[in-house]
Formats: sequence, C-alpha cells, structure tokens
Amino acid sequence: AQTVTQSQPEMSVQEAETVTLSCTYDTSESDYYLFWYKQPPSRQMILVIRQEAYKQQNATENRFSVNFQKAAKSFSLKISDSQLGDAAMYFCAYRSATGGGNKLTFGTGTQLKVEL
Amino acid sequence: DSGVTQTPKHLITATGQRVTLRCSPRSGDLSVYWYQQSLDQGLQFLIHYYNGEERAKGNILERFSAQQFPDLHSELNLSSLELGDSALYFCASSPRGLAGDHEQFFGPGTRLTVL
Repeated sequence: AQTVTQSQPEMSVQEAETVTLSCTYDTSESDYYLFWYKQPPSRQMILVIRQEAYKQQNATENRFSVNFQKAAKSFSLKISDSQLGDAAMYFCAYRSATGGGNKLTFGTGTQLKVEL
Repeated sequence: DSGVTQTPKHLITATGQRVTLRCSPRSGDLSVYWYQQSLDQGLQFLIHYYNGEERAKGNILERFSAQQFPDLHSELNLSSLELGDSALYFCASSPRGLAGDHEQFFGPGTRLTVL
C-alpha cells in the first residue's frame, strides 16, 4: 500500500518570503500522480498543483512550484512571494495511474501560517 | 466553486442514529468519491462509484454504505453512529474515474457531529 508522509505539522513564513513544504511517499509503482491540495479555514479542498510521475520537468503554477525527486520519492512544494491568503493546511496526495481505484492517499498535512 | 454540491452542510445527531449524506457531482462527471476527514484518522478514502457501480473500497466501516443513482448523485449512509464517526465528509467527482482523470473536484463537505 502507498503511504504519504508530511513531517512538518506546522510551518511559518513572512509575507513576501519563500517557503518549502516537504512530502515523501512510498510506492512500488512507477506510474502515478502527485498532488498538493490547500485547505483554508473554509475547509474547501483546493487543488494547488499536480505532477505526473513520468514527467521529469517540475510542475509550476504561478507562485507555486514543486521539486519532484522520483528516485528519492520526494515531492516538495515551494511557495514564492507568500501572501496572507496562502495561510492554510496543505496536503500532499498520491494517486496510482495504473490501479487502486483512482483513490487519493493523503499525508497528514502541514499547517502554514503567514506572518506580516 | 467546484461544481460539486453536498447536503446538508452540517448535521448533528445522537449515537445509535442513522444519517444520509447527499452529493451531486459536477455536470457530466461519472465518478463520485467519498472521503472522511477526522482528527484521529486524517483524510481517508472511503469508496468510489463509477456510473452507478462500485469501483473501489477503502477504509469504510460495515456500518457505512453508499450508492450512486441513475442521475449520478450519490448518497452515503451512516448507521449505528458512534462518537468517533464525527468528521467532515467530502464528496469528490471526476469525469470518468480512470487514470486519465487529472483532478478530483471536491465538494464543500458535510460536517457530522455525533453527540
């Protein structure tokens, strides 16, 4: 079974600074997807960024980018120019591309605080 | 707004009772997923339905059941409720439920409180 580990329960960043959230995962599969979801106080789950395992290029979405290290099974999220609206719980998630019923397996989350 | 709707938003009930949570997927999406978010277990996959048929089960208790109807809405039934069932229940949908679906779109969730 696949597992996702987020070892940072909480992180803080100053407004306009850069922060990196860590995620590692364990799988025996070679084809899969990785995601970062944001959950603000409203509790809505919002997709931030997606990475296909077969792609070597790291995904980017505006101020959000990932560092995908397939051999190390590491998938970190970098948030540049942090804004107050980035304050939220961030979840790393794994999904098999070949089976597993298309389910998402989530990590335990990292609570990000953005300070003035 | 993801286009996925869930009702009710909040539900308060007593131990031993039965409740039904409802989910309407995005227009055109054939797959519905249910997830549970609790303090103890985090975010867990419960079950996946595709076009009315069960496709995969996760850590879903025997007291819980789900179904997807011909109009593609889904219901999650929770019975003999226990205090530990208090959680936020999310429904998500995707177009086909195949590997090519790049995203699951989450509803706003139903907050269940069991007293």
